Amino acid sequence: EAGVAQSPRYKIIEKRQSVAFWCNPISGHATLYWYQQILGQGPKLLIQFQNNGVVDDSQLPKDRFSAERLKGVDSTLKIQPAKLEDSAVYLCASSLGTGGRASYEQYFGPGTRLTVT
Amino acid sequence: GDSVTQMEGPVTLSEEAFLTINCTYTATGYPSLFWYVQYPGEGLQLLLKATKADDKGSNKGFEATYRKETTSFHLEKGSVQVSDSAVYFCAQAGGYGNKLVFGAGTILRVKS
Repeated sequence: EAGVAQSPRYKIIEKRQSVAFWCNPISGHATLYWYQQILGQGPKLLIQFQNNGVVDDSQLPKDRFSAERLKGVDSTLKIQPAKLEDSAVYLCASSLGTGGRASYEQYFGPGTRLTVT
Repeated sequence: GDSVTQMEGPVTLSEEAFLTINCTYTATGYPSLFWYVQYPGEGLQLLLKATKADDKGSNKGFEATYRKETTSFHLEKGSVQVSDSAVYFCAQAGGYGNKLVFGAGTILRVKS
């Protein structure tokens, strides 16, 4: 079974530029998550999708971050304009669904390491 | 709000030593508890989990018991190997959306 795919793996941009990350979840997984992991900290949830609808985006900085999941499969996360403090690893995860504890297990992609200079 | 606190690292051990990494949580309900591991240059992998009080999760020689009375989920291994060197994250999930709330992570270094 293929895992969660993410691209690019690394990205270096200057502040005020824009950047986009792509995620392809495990086939059949209805729920998709984007996390931000700043160096030395645990991952923090940015946004959660159930199919193509948003479940939770309470910690997404909406003035600069946006995300979409068209057709309920792939997802993109965009930052525009980027700030120095956005330097982090952006992790995508997926799970079967939120219907019960048996379907909650999240599988993580390798992440995209973003450096903003 | 829900949170997870785990012991600060780095933890440095010799090969075959006993490992304990402490983890406590605060939650409004009855969350599921997890340990994730992140090896150098790799993504997060689920190590073990427990879904209710007194459950014991185990995998690859690691184990942790869900202690509701002390709100803890400490990770243990009887004999660590150099290959166990990684960052270990304790996490909880519960409530609407089952989102994961992570601790800050503990770096484990095992010397040969």
